[in-house]
Amino acid sequence: GNSVTQMEGPVTLSEEAFLTINCTYTATGYPSLFWYVQYPGEGLQLLLKATKADDKGSNKGFEATYRKETTSFHLEKGSVQVSDSAVYFCAPAGNFNKFYFGSGTKLNVKP
Amino acid sequence: DVKVTQSSRYLVKRTGEKVFLECVQDMDHENMFWYRQDPGLGLRLIYFSYDVKMKEKGDIPEGYSVSREKKERFSLILESASTNQTSMYLCASSRPNREAFFGQGTRLTVV
Repeated sequence: GNSVTQMEGPVTLSEEAFLTINCTYTATGYPSLFWYVQYPGEGLQLLLKATKADDKGSNKGFEATYRKETTSFHLEKGSVQVSDSAVYFCAPAGNFNKFYFGSGTKLNVKP
Repeated sequence: DVKVTQSSRYLVKRTGEKVFLECVQDMDHENMFWYRQDPGLGLRLIYFSYDVKMKEKGDIPEGYSVSREKKERFSLILESASTNQTSMYLCASSRPNREAFFGQGTRLTVV
């Protein structure tokens, strides 16, 4: 079955530091891949997506590249801000667009 | 903007009660989902629906049922609420093979 593994959190960084959150998945075929973000007290919002191998999704300074050979979709940002503090979820989409979410990685950015 | 609306933000129910959680989306999406979110466990899929009156079990359907009589509305039913169903419940909708849009969540406490 489909599954996803994200790095354990919380991740604590200083403002302007470089961010990487690792995500690897197992899936049937070649699913579309998504990163969602959840700010405190809110539902999930789409951050970025990639629909085929070698695609790079990007939004708000975040990037992730669809790596078919390593079944990975790591999230990166060159310079984080305090406002990026949130929980980040990696989610491959399976049949019928069923999303499989990891446990989430909490990011704390300190001024 | 796509809007997914969950009927309550906070709900407190007694053990053994029948509980209805309602979700409405305004973008004519075919797919609708119910997840529960628990600390350390991420999001787990309870049920999803890919069309009116169609439903499929997710990973943790026990103790839950769903109803989709109209395309825009997807209801989650706890037949007899128990304390282990205390959780955050998230509804989402999507078109096939497209990103999901989430509601703000319902925090249910069963006492």
